[in-house]
Amino acid sequence: DTEVTQTPKHLVMGMTNKKSLKCEQHMGHRAMYWYKQKAKKPPELMFVYSYEKLSINESVPSRFSPECPNSSLLNLHLHALQPEDSALYLCASSRGLDYPYEQYFGPGTRLTVT
Amino acid sequence: DAKTTQPTSMDCAEGRAANLPCNHSTISGNEYVYWYRQIHSQGPQYIIHGLKNNETNEMASLIITEDRKSSTLILPHATLRDTAVYYCIVRVAMRTSGSRLTFGEGTQLTVNP
Repeated sequence: DTEVTQTPKHLVMGMTNKKSLKCEQHMGHRAMYWYKQKAKKPPELMFVYSYEKLSINESVPSRFSPECPNSSLLNLHLHALQPEDSALYLCASSRGLDYPYEQYFGPGTRLTVT
Repeated sequence: DAKTTQPTSMDCAEGRAANLPCNHSTISGNEYVYWYRQIHSQGPQYIIHGLKNNETNEMASLIITEDRKSSTLILPHATLRDTAVYYCIVRVAMRTSGSRLTFGEGTQLTVNP
């Protein structure tokens, strides 16, 4: 099984809402990632988790809060977002960080902030 | 990680080989060349990677020049389903940097019937 699943597929939220994005993998991968992709642009790295610990935060605003409750799950908690945060949010996983292992991506959550 | 340069777009006829070039003239000795693709509205998909030698898998072949300053991804028999944005990425094999995938603008490959 080389699948990374993400829920929900689509999300519309107001600027005062709190919502969460969920990502799951069952490949035994120890590194998980969040990327953000604006329309017609390449994906940009947001966060990296290794062995359930935050390894990299690419200076992401605090209204995005990642969480890795176990090695298979990765959440992204959203609060007080702005319309410019509307984007495709991609989750990925890889075997680890000690080698540039290939990353497996989920289909993404398309977020619209109104 | 080294910067890469790719053409913005390319066309290919269905059934023919698609050859996608990538320039990475500042690549270092310990940096790998990776290729991913992204079909419209889907997550990126890993295709292939290499360090020095040419590589082949069930999806594609990767040809890296002897000086490693450029590479070519070859899809031997392109199909309509290969229409996607193809990203060439150079990554160093170090614990602190191994995690980063820095995507450039990529090449939009359109396979025509």
